[in-house]
Amino acid sequence: AQSVTQPDIHITVSEGASLELRCNYSYGATPYLFWYVQSPGQGLQLLLKYFSGDTLVQGIKGFEAEFKRSQSSFNLRKPSVHWSDAAEYFCAVGRTGNQFYFGTGTSLTVIP
Amino acid sequence: GAVVSQHPSRVICKSGTSVKIECRSLDFQATTMFWYRQFPKQSLMLMATSNEGSKATYEQGVEKDKFLINHASLTLSTLTVTSAHPEDSSFYICSARVQGAWEQFFGPGTRLTVL
Repeated sequence: AQSVTQPDIHITVSEGASLELRCNYSYGATPYLFWYVQSPGQGLQLLLKYFSGDTLVQGIKGFEAEFKRSQSSFNLRKPSVHWSDAAEYFCAVGRTGNQFYFGTGTSLTVIP
Repeated sequence: GAVVSQHPSRVICKSGTSVKIECRSLDFQATTMFWYRQFPKQSLMLMATSNEGSKATYEQGVEKDKFLINHASLTLSTLTVTSAHPEDSSFYICSARVQGAWEQFFGPGTRLTVL
């Protein structure tokens, strides 16, 4: 069965520090992988996606993610966090039928 | 970019009443729309997939008679929570996609509170 695990429920970082959010997936075929961000009261916004090709994917707002098949991971990174990055982050796997499995999310707090 | 709206953004109703939530794709035609439910501090759980002009496909454990989904046009899908109870209180989110594309565009969500 397909599943997505985000081991960190909550992360706190200082503004300007680097960030890495972890995502591990379990999927039988080549996965389609996504990272979304959800701000309070807002819909989900797509940060980046991986379908195939280069395993390092660049997204919006300075985010990037690296697909590592050997580790079944798709971790999200940002070199320097801004206060406006505080939000909930969801990793998702696309499955047949274009349906998504979402991870449980990681809540990011940014301290000045 | 593609925009998906939901209406209402927040609704409070009495137990036993029905509530309808609308999901609209504003600037594109959505052949498929998805409905999710999100509990506080938890992930999005897919409830159902609806294709325009067809019956919705419900995920295991989702009561189709409880959560009625209609996708009558390429820009509108509705979710009706029938005979709502307090345990139906949740954040409901829809998403829409164009045929042949993987990306889903998400609405801002509807907060349902059943008293």
